[in-house]
Amino acid sequence: GQSLEQPSEVTAVEGAIVQINCTYQTSGFYGLSWYQQHDGGAPTFLSYNGLDGLEETGRFSSFLSRSDSYGYLLLQELQMKDSASYFCAVSRADYGQNFVFGPGTRLSVLP
Amino acid sequence: NAGVTQTPKFRVLKTGQSMTLLCAQDMNHEYMYWYRQDPGMGLRLIHYSVGEGTTAKGEVPDGYNVSRLKKQNFLLGLESAAPSQTSVYFCASSPGTGGAGELFFGEGSRLTVL
Repeated sequence: GQSLEQPSEVTAVEGAIVQINCTYQTSGFYGLSWYQQHDGGAPTFLSYNGLDGLEETGRFSSFLSRSDSYGYLLLQELQMKDSASYFCAVSRADYGQNFVFGPGTRLSVLP
Repeated sequence: NAGVTQTPKFRVLKTGQSMTLLCAQDMNHEYMYWYRQDPGMGLRLIHYSVGEGTTAKGEVPDGYNVSRLKKQNFLLGLESAAPSQTSVYFCASSPGTGGAGELFFGEGSRLTVL
């Protein structure tokens, strides 16, 4: 089987830094992606890690450790518009490539 | 460039009725996916396709069927709708294994089964 775990909720203030962790158990691991979803909207892609290490995209960074089956999303200089749900997703290499999503972390950014 | 388009965006069904959700993408992507999302939860993979004429089961395939007769279209069918299938359905596509882990999502189809 496969499973992903994320914290259900995180709260932070504007301008702060927040880290959202993701641990996973899966076969055929290919990579770890992160998505943002605002209420009523569709998920939008933020970042991808296919190899160990840190990937930086503007205010967002993502990290992967394949040996620890662990990754995180780091959001810096938080803004009110960052209030949303964040999902990690494992892509698997068995029979093509399918993506399994974690339960999501709801981030609330306070003024 | 429309990206991924889902129709219809809203639908109300009675228990036992059938319907088809249509997903169309104009990015020439090989892979397409159908997910469902229930309130406060993550996305669960229903079925996916790695190319025209191929389909595969995901995590929650029961009660659904799919077809990929054309590369740009992926259809999700409910033969006999049940209240448990009330959900938001998202279609997504990706270029394939060279796509750096990015899924492109449609806006979602909100289905209510009474």
